[in-house]
Amino acid sequence: EAGVTQFPSHSVIEKGQTVTLRCDPISGHDNLYWYRRVMGKEIKFLLHFVKESKQDESGMPNNRFLAERTGGTYSTLKVQPAELEDSGVYFCASSQVRGIQYFGAGTRLSVL
Amino acid sequence: GENVEQHPSTLSVQEGDSAVIKCTYSDSASNYFPWYKQELGKRPQLIIDIRSNVGEKKDQRIAVTLNKTAKHFSLHITETQPEDSAVYFCAAKNGANNLFFGTGTRLTVIP
Repeated sequence: EAGVTQFPSHSVIEKGQTVTLRCDPISGHDNLYWYRRVMGKEIKFLLHFVKESKQDESGMPNNRFLAERTGGTYSTLKVQPAELEDSGVYFCASSQVRGIQYFGAGTRLSVL
Repeated sequence: GENVEQHPSTLSVQEGDSAVIKCTYSDSASNYFPWYKQELGKRPQLIIDIRSNVGEKKDQRIAVTLNKTAKHFSLHITETQPEDSAVYFCAAKNGANNLFFGTGTRLTVIP
């Protein structure tokens, strides 16, 4: 069974540019989560999809971040325009209903 | 919202010794507490978890304890081995099924 996959593994962009991160959850997992870890700090919750619907987006830092999950399969997280403080590792996780969350390897975003 | 604190931030132990990592949480409604291990360059992986109706759970060299009254939970690793070296994260799940993580503990096991 394939795990949660994230693309790209690393992205380096300049301040003001746009970046789109992608997450492919485990097949059959309706729940999809986005998290972010800024260096040395906690893995912080951003938002939670159930199928294509946003169940909870209380962790999204501001309106420069837009997450979508069209069709309830893969999800994208777009940052536009990127700022220096957006640098960090973005993790995606998926789960069955109230099940264990399985994480992807993360996308390391560096905003210069 | 939920707030999880984790200590220590770094921990070095000699191979064969025990390691203990402690976490506290703030939301008394949290009912599930997983521990994730992240090796360098790899994804966080669940190593053990405990639900709020249980006080202790053990899996070989790893154990987790939960004190609901004090809102404390701890990870215990016995007979540590070099391959236990990693960053460990505790987390608490709230009623909305979202995980709130601690800041991580970098464990180094010295051969």
